[in-house]
Amino acid sequence: SYELTQPPSVSVSPGQTASITCSADKLGYKFASWYQQKPGQSPVVVIYEDTKRPSGIPGRFSGSNSGNTATLTISGTQTMDEADYYCQAWDSSTVVFGGGTKLTVL
Amino acid sequence: EVQLLESGGGLVQPGGSLRLSCAASGFTFSNYAMNWVRQAPGKGLEWVSGSSGGGGTTTYADSVRGRFTISRDTPRSTLDLQMTALRPEDTAVYYCAKAATQSIAAADLYLDYWGQGTLVTVSS
Repeated sequence: SYELTQPPSVSVSPGQTASITCSADKLGYKFASWYQQKPGQSPVVVIYEDTKRPSGIPGRFSGSNSGNTATLTISGTQTMDEADYYCQAWDSSTVVFGGGTKLTVL
Repeated sequence: EVQLLESGGGLVQPGGSLRLSCAASGFTFSNYAMNWVRQAPGKGLEWVSGSSGGGGTTTYADSVRGRFTISRDTPRSTLDLQMTALRPEDTAVYYCAKAATQSIAAADLYLDYWGQGTLVTVSS
């Protein structure tokens, strides 16, 4: 089965740039999406089809996908961005999620 | 406004059965694939099952195949998940999630709306 690997945690200072990676074999040939989940809330998509932002998602969120790695980048990170982030791809008629990355802003 | 409202969660003994339901509104139900995604306490997201917009194609995670059945009632705009032979490891919050595509087999599939979830606890 296809597996997406994320670092368990990433820390960033307010105003700095946070990068969260998602790795898998030939992931660059697939579309990657990213979800943000805050404690006690349902996930929200912040990036889809590698680089696209849904309406209402701030411009500081961006994505890229090449080779074996997709990356979610948050520029000018704010304390409100502290959350768990999950990457997602589709493979063989199944939806696959990464294990999640806890972003700490301190 | 898209709304997804799950119901049917609760406490069930190992080996028991439970049926979850998701009431959808605010979009043309038959035009979009629908999914169930679960999250065990303190753990990450795990996709469980999906159904294409027309309901003709269904897919399952290996962990639930043969025990869970997804179905949809287009006139009522509801998505169900029949769960049987439940195990303690099935304990989780179960989310209903709408896909942005009609096909469940779309390479560009992503989940654009999620419900609030319903908790299923499997314990004796």
